[in-house]
Amino acid sequence: SYVLTQPPSVSVAPGKTASITCAGVNIGSKSVHWYQQRPGQVPVMVLYYTSDRPSGIPERFSGSYSDTTATLTISKVEAGDEADYYCQVWDADSAHFVFGGGTKVTVL
Amino acid sequence: EVQLVESGGGLVQPGGSLRLSCAASGFTFSDYWMHWVRQPPGQGLMWVSRSNTEGTYTIYADSVKGRFTISRDNAKNTLYLQMNSLRAEDTAVYYCARGVFSSESTAPLGSWGQGTLVTVSS
Repeated sequence: SYVLTQPPSVSVAPGKTASITCAGVNIGSKSVHWYQQRPGQVPVMVLYYTSDRPSGIPERFSGSYSDTTATLTISKVEAGDEADYYCQVWDADSAHFVFGGGTKVTVL
Repeated sequence: EVQLVESGGGLVQPGGSLRLSCAASGFTFSDYWMHWVRQPPGQGLMWVSRSNTEGTYTIYADSVKGRFTISRDNAKNTLYLQMNSLRAEDTAVYYCARGVFSSESTAPLGSWGQGTLVTVSS
C-alpha cells in the first residue's frame, strides 16, 4: 500500500517560516491535499490539489512539490498555527485515500 | 451551511457490533461521495471507507475490510457505518467527511463532522 512519510515535529519561532514535508514514491504525479488539526478540534483542509487554498485560508499557507516530496509552507507563523498537519493523496492502485502520519507544528 | 453530525458511538466489547450514523444537512447529500475517517486517541488520521453518491460503489481500508460496511440513505440524508467483529485497535474517534466537489470520486475532504468516539474494551 502507498505510504506517505512526514516528520513527527517541526518547531518554528513566531514570524518565521515553517516547512512541512510529505514524502512518497512518485508523489509529484499525485494531487496532494493538506489538513490542519488544532488541539481538540476537527481537521480542516488548508490546501488542496497541492497549492489551492479553500476560502478563508490565509495566503500564508502555500504548497509545492517535487517528484518525491510535497511541501506545505507556512510563512509569518502565528501562535494560532500551532497544530497537527496531515498530507493526503488518493492512491490509484488501491483506490484508497492515504494520510501521512502527521506533523506537530510547535510555535516557540 | 454544511453540517455533518455523527452519532452511535460508545463502549462495546471485543467481538461486538456498532452502527454509526452521520446526518447531513446544508447541501444536496445525494450529489457527494462520502467517507469515514478515524483517529485513535493521540494518533493520526486513518481513512476507513468511502461510498459513491448512490451507495453502489464502496471501498474499504484493508484493516476494516470484511468487518465494516458503509451505506447511505439519500432519502434520509444519512451515511452509516456498520462495524462488526470489533477489536481493541478499532478504538478511535470516527469522523464522517464529505468530498469538496460534487460527484468527484477522489475529491479531498472539505467538510468534517465533529466525530463520535468508539471504545472497544472488555
